[in-house]
Amino acid sequence: AQSVTQLGSHVSVSEGALVLLRCNYSSSVPPYLFWYVQYPNQGLQLLLKYTSAATLVKGINGFEAEFKKSETSFHLTKPSAHMSDAAEYFCAVRPASSASKIIFGSGTRLSIRP
Amino acid sequence: GAGVSQTPSNKVTEKGKYVELRCDPISGHTALYWYRQSLGQGPEFLIYFQGTGAADDSGLPNDRFFAVRPEGSVSTLKIQRTERGDSAVYLCASSPGPSYNEQFFGPGTRLTVL
Repeated sequence: AQSVTQLGSHVSVSEGALVLLRCNYSSSVPPYLFWYVQYPNQGLQLLLKYTSAATLVKGINGFEAEFKKSETSFHLTKPSAHMSDAAEYFCAVRPASSASKIIFGSGTRLSIRP
Repeated sequence: GAGVSQTPSNKVTEKGKYVELRCDPISGHTALYWYRQSLGQGPEFLIYFQGTGAADDSGLPNDRFFAVRPEGSVSTLKIQRTERGDSAVYLCASSPGPSYNEQFFGPGTRLTVL
């Protein structure tokens, strides 16, 4: 079975500061891992995905995430926050071996202080 | 190219009524997924179609929920005897095939049951 835990339902950082959104996963088989972003009243947009290639994954808008198997983590980072990064972020997992559902975390709301 | 589309974008209904929500996947995508996102939560899986058949319906909450995909393209999610607890955003996603690692999400239908 797969599950995702996002630590912190709300994170607030200053503009220009480091963004760190935490995600830990549980999976009995090799996983695919994803980060999605959802802006207010909009659909889900894929930020980046890990599919068993490079463990450091670069995504859109300057975000990146590192797959750490030993820590079962897939934390999302961005060196310098921008006001436009304010949104809800979801970490998600699905088994690499089958065409099954994606399991989402409960989300982290990112706020940016001027 | 065109993404996943969902209609209507908003639906308001009264408790006890029947509703249908429509999803048009990306052309040529054989896999189609329905998710439900309640306020303040991550999306939760409902059902997965491969072609015309429901390959996994383990997420449907009860027998009031039903989905079809008769020609392997458009899908309709049907909810009978709606309850206030059914209020949520219903998301549809598609992918080129069962082994593809990414799902492409539509904008969702916001269902409000009064």
